[in-house]
Amino acid sequence: DGGITQSPKYLFRKEGQNVTLSCEQNLNHDAMYWYRQDPGQGLRLIYYSQIVNDFQKGDIAEGYSVSREKKESFPLTVTSAQKNPTAFYLCASSIVPLAGELFFGEGSRLTVL
Amino acid sequence: SQQGEEDPQALSIQEGENATMNCSYKTSINNLQWYRQNSGRGLVHLILIRSNEREKHSGRLRVTLDTSKKSSSLLITASRAADTASYFCATDRQAGTALIFGKGTTLSVSS
Repeated sequence: DGGITQSPKYLFRKEGQNVTLSCEQNLNHDAMYWYRQDPGQGLRLIYYSQIVNDFQKGDIAEGYSVSREKKESFPLTVTSAQKNPTAFYLCASSIVPLAGELFFGEGSRLTVL
Repeated sequence: SQQGEEDPQALSIQEGENATMNCSYKTSINNLQWYRQNSGRGLVHLILIRSNEREKHSGRLRVTLDTSKKSSSLLITASRAADTASYFCATDRQAGTALIFGKGTTLSVSS
């Protein structure tokens, strides 16, 4: 079945550590996105990529980094510079960049201890 | 930045009743989308309505769009307990960046 796979589903991190969240898609979509969701809040855009080897900052990119070396993969690194990283992270993809329906993964919940 | 805002924040109804939730946005859009999220899960796309459309149906879902009022509504008819979820509207930015999501309406349908 085609879809988006995020891992791990739950992740615990000590303060000062970097962590990387995985996002893999087999939908052959060009565009991929990372959103952050806090309790009772909507989704906020962290980074997005329209094509391999290219990505743009979203509204809350500070303290995060991404790479897009393969079409299928768009990992997100939460660095120690992110002041409040505890959140639910959602990866998504779309057939056409910046247009149409988004397909979401099941999310990764990061907790900083 | 431009954002859709859903109203109400929370809605509780009985099975069989209709549920209506609203979304308002600030600037012109190309299209507006509605998504559903079950607790602790990813979002699922429900429906997309373009700026030149006024109404769209999909099964028990009916979406309207009023661009003059910059608002949209999602109607779920004959609600079921399985409809319990959070519902988000999302709008594009005509300049060409990714979707912006509202804070959502949490719907609870009791049997």
